[in-house]
Amino acid sequence: DVKVTQSSRYLVKRTGEKVFLECVQDMDHENMFWYRQDPGLGLRLIYFSYDVKMKEKGDIPEGYSVSREKKERFSLILESASTNQTSMYLCASSFVQGLTFDYGYTFGSGTRLTVV
Amino acid sequence: GQQVMQIPQYQHVQEGEDFTTYCNSSTTLSNIQWYKQRPGGHPVFLIQLVKSGEVKKQKRLTFQFGEAKKNSSLHITATQTTDVGTYFCAGRIQGAQKLVFGQGTRLTINP
Repeated sequence: DVKVTQSSRYLVKRTGEKVFLECVQDMDHENMFWYRQDPGLGLRLIYFSYDVKMKEKGDIPEGYSVSREKKERFSLILESASTNQTSMYLCASSFVQGLTFDYGYTFGSGTRLTVV
Repeated sequence: GQQVMQIPQYQHVQEGEDFTTYCNSSTTLSNIQWYKQRPGGHPVFLIQLVKSGEVKKQKRLTFQFGEAKKNSSLHITATQTTDVGTYFCAGRIQGAQKLVFGQGTRLTINP
């Protein structure tokens, strides 16, 4: 069964801490994404990557950075955690899209991060 | 920024009633995808529509893509308690690199 695995299901961190969220996929997908999900706001894209060592800003990149050193792994970094970054974080991956065709995203189970 | 709007935000139905959620974009979409997220779970890919006017069915679920490729709908016939969850549409704006997700419609069902 293909999988996107996120390292932690629940995480509690203190304000100002540097936080690493890890995501690993075993499907040889080129594309990887980080979203945050908040009630009433749906899924908002933070960063995405189409290839190793490559990254693109999404809609809400402020306060975040990412790292993709290997194809299967995409890390989200909160440089200095703040309470407004308390959220559910979802990692996703997919094969590279065609001109009009996208492959469905496979999501991880999510990490619920609480910053106190 | 470019958005995909989804309505309604919430829908509560009696078991056995039908349910529909709508997705609208101000610009033409290359394709539209639909996802289901069960309570406490993560989004799961259901289907993709690519062609203008396309209709696809999965058992009691019917998916439509508008003729102008700016809107889409998901219709569930005779809902069951297993249909509970949040349904998201996601569209790729023509010329853009990534999908844009709608805000989702949360479906609850009274058994």
